[in-house]
Formats: sequence, structure tokens, C-alpha cells
Amino acid sequence: AQKVTQAQTEISVVEKEDVTLDCVYETRDTTYYLFWYKQPPSGELVFLIRRNSFDEQNEISGRYSWNFQKSTSSFNFTITASQVVDSAVYFCALSDGSNYQLIWGAGTKLIIKP
Amino acid sequence: GAGVSQSPSNKVTEKGKDVELRCDPISGHTALYWYRQSLGQGLEFLIYFQGNSAPDKSGLPSDRFSAERTGGSVSTLTIQRTQQEDSAVYLCASSRGLAGLYEQYFGPGTRLTVT
Repeated sequence: AQKVTQAQTEISVVEKEDVTLDCVYETRDTTYYLFWYKQPPSGELVFLIRRNSFDEQNEISGRYSWNFQKSTSSFNFTITASQVVDSAVYFCALSDGSNYQLIWGAGTKLIIKP
Repeated sequence: GAGVSQSPSNKVTEKGKDVELRCDPISGHTALYWYRQSLGQGLEFLIYFQGNSAPDKSGLPSDRFSAERTGGSVSTLTIQRTQQEDSAVYLCASSRGLAGLYEQYFGPGTRLTVT
């Protein structure tokens, strides 16, 4: 069975600190896709990234970076020099690509204090 | 282009009443999803449409819940005889294809409160 675990329920850091959100997944598929979505206080989820299982290269987008490690079944998300606007709930999700459903993690609430 | 829109943004209803929630997906998106999110919780999948067809309705919590999609566009989620446990934010998302392959675009949600 597929499963996504986001063990950190809530993280609170002071602005400008770096912060890493953990995502651990379980799947027996060799082909799968991992996602991160952001849900700011306004409520509207926003897509951040999709990564397929054959691409283990780390991704960097501005202050955001993602570390995909198949050896540990993890797809962690790091925000460098955090800002108050980064405050949101972040969801990690998993798919086998052929399914219409994503398997969602429970989310991590990130609070950035000024 | 416009994003996914949902209406109403907020709905307060009395227990036992029926409610209809509407979702307007992004034009051209063939896939449409309904999710439910209770306060402080993750996303609960309800139903998925590919075009006007719903291949899997097993995520609907009970037979009081139904959904339809017409013209491959607008979708309506109907909850009959609402109960207090139905109180949640109902999110709609659309995508160019299967959620497992394509990013989903989410609407702002409808916050339903059953009193």
C-alpha cells in the first residue's frame, strides 16, 4: 500500500532561518511521482513541484529546494532564509502515475515569526 | 485565464437541509476533483471526474453525497439532509489529466457550516 508520512505537525522558526520539511513515502511501484503543495492561510492550495522516481536530481527554485533520496524514501523540502510569507501548511503527496488519486500526507504547518 | 472558482465561498445551513456546492474549473481541463478538508486536517478525496464521467465514487462519505458534471465543465456537489459532521471546507481542483501526472489547480473552497 502507498503511504505518505509528514511527521512534523507544526514547525515554528524565526524569519531568515532555514527550515526543512520532511516527507517519507512508502510504495512498491518502481514508477511513481511525488508532489509538494502549499496551502497559505487564504486556503487555496498551490502546486510547488512534481518529481518522478527516475529523476533523483535535487531541485532548486529560488529559496526553495527539494532533496529526493530513494534510498531513504524521502522527498524533503527546504526553505532557505525563510520569510513570513512562507507561513502555510505544506502537503507532500504520492502517485503511481496511472491512478487518478494522490496519496496525501497530513501536512506540516509552518509558522515563520518576524 | 481565470482559475478555478467555487461558490458559495461560505455556506451556513441548518441540519437536515440540502446544499449545493458549485465548481467552475479552468477551461479545457478534463479532470475535476472534489476534496473535503476538516479543520486542521489533510485532504480527503471525495470524487473524480474525467469529462462528465465519474469512474470512482467510492470516496463519497455516504449516499447523502452526490456529484455531477455537465458539458465537461461545471460540477455540482450536493449534500442531502446535512449533518453536523459534514461541516468542513470543500475544495475543488482541476487538471489537464490524471492528478498523478499533472498538477492540480485548486479553487478557494466552500466553507460549509451545519448548525
